[in-house]
Amino acid sequence: AQSVSQHNHHVILSEAASLELGCNYSYGGTVNLFWYVQYPGQHLQLLLKYFSGDPLVKGIKGFEAEFIKSKFSFNLRKPSVQWSDTAEYFCAASGGYQKVTFGTGTKLQVIP
Amino acid sequence: DTAVSQTPKYLVTQMGNDKSIKCEQNLGHDTMYWYKQDSKKFLKIMFSYNNKELIINETVPNRFSPKSPDKAHLNLHINSLELGDSAVYFCASSQGQGSEKLFFGSGTQLSVL
Repeated sequence: AQSVSQHNHHVILSEAASLELGCNYSYGGTVNLFWYVQYPGQHLQLLLKYFSGDPLVKGIKGFEAEFIKSKFSFNLRKPSVQWSDTAEYFCAASGGYQKVTFGTGTKLQVIP
Repeated sequence: DTAVSQTPKYLVTQMGNDKSIKCEQNLGHDTMYWYKQDSKKFLKIMFSYNNKELIINETVPNRFSPKSPDKAHLNLHINSLELGDSAVYFCASSQGQGSEKLFFGSGTQLSVL
């Protein structure tokens, strides 16, 4: 069965620190990968997505993610976080026309 | 203009009541969804409709009944509300199915007392 796992449940960083959030997926066949962000009190919005091509994907607000097929991973990175990055981050995956499956989310808290 | 709008934003009700949550999208998308986000922030799909046709129906109690009068609307009706139904319910839409970017509504926080 398809699944997405995020091992970091709660991450606390100081401003300017580098960020890497882990995401591993279990899918058969072609996979599409996403990172969504939910800022406090707001709805989910797409940060970035990978369908095919360059495995290093650039998203909004300086985020990027790298698809490593051999490791079934799609980790999210940002070289220098800001207080405004405090949010919940969700990794998600889908295979073709199948439903999108979400990970359990990682709460990021950035301390000024 | 709000792309995906759902009402109400907050819903507080007693156990045993029947309530509805409405969702509308003005993006011209063909597919709409209902997701449930529990207290641990886990997002799980409940239903998906494509052009008013039900295509995904996860293991959800029969008390939950989606209705899609047209492809721009997907409402969620819940009968005999239970304490465990307390959660945030998100409506979403996409142009296609599965591999397309999801656009989410702002969520409806349901509290069952």
